[in-house]
Amino acid sequence: KNQVEQSPQSLIILEGKNCTLQCNYTVSPFSNLRWYKQDTGRGPVSLTIMTFSENTKSNRRYTATLDADTKQSSLHITASQLSDSASYICVVSAAGTHGGSQGNLIFGKGTKLSVKP
Amino acid sequence: KAGVTQTPRYLIKTRGQQVTLSCSPISGHRSVSWYQQTPGQGLQFLFEYFSETQRNKGNFPGRFSGRQFSNSRSEMNVSTLELGDSALYLCASSLGSVGGFSGNTIYFGEGSWLTVV
Repeated sequence: KNQVEQSPQSLIILEGKNCTLQCNYTVSPFSNLRWYKQDTGRGPVSLTIMTFSENTKSNRRYTATLDADTKQSSLHITASQLSDSASYICVVSAAGTHGGSQGNLIFGKGTKLSVKP
Repeated sequence: KAGVTQTPRYLIKTRGQQVTLSCSPISGHRSVSWYQQTPGQGLQFLFEYFSETQRNKGNFPGRFSGRQFSNSRSEMNVSTLELGDSALYLCASSLGSVGGFSGNTIYFGEGSWLTVV
């Protein structure tokens, strides 16, 4: 069964500190992995997209890594800010059995990050 | 450039009724996908439309349906509403299909909050 597991479920850190969020998946065949940031009551905003051949992607203070062999990804946030308080969602795209654009998106339940002053 | 627009933002319906939600994608985007978000299940993929054709479908009952018009605008319909259908319904648009190997960025709207009483 295609699944995406995220850990921790929630995390509290102090402003200025770094943190790392984890995402493990059992999606096959794998197409790509995305990280999203979702503020409370708002739609998710894309942070990074990684395909099979990419193992690191950065977007400002966010750095995502992907290990396709172990089916693990992480999102590292550097020098956290109060505005980083949000849910971070890992999404894995499964390629369709016929290849091409047929596929499905499997979402993790997210990690709720709280950054305190 | 206008983002993804969803209407209505909030609505309350009674069990057994049906509801139609509307989504206007970013100009030029041909893919519109729909998602359900609940506290218990997180984000779940409903279906995707590309050039007026359903491309991908998640694991939801037939009460959930959608369509896409020639101008890429999309509607989602839920018939015979149940209490468990109460959720945030998100629409997203992208240049290409959300599945497959394309890795297109998916842009989400702010969502429609549906409460079924």
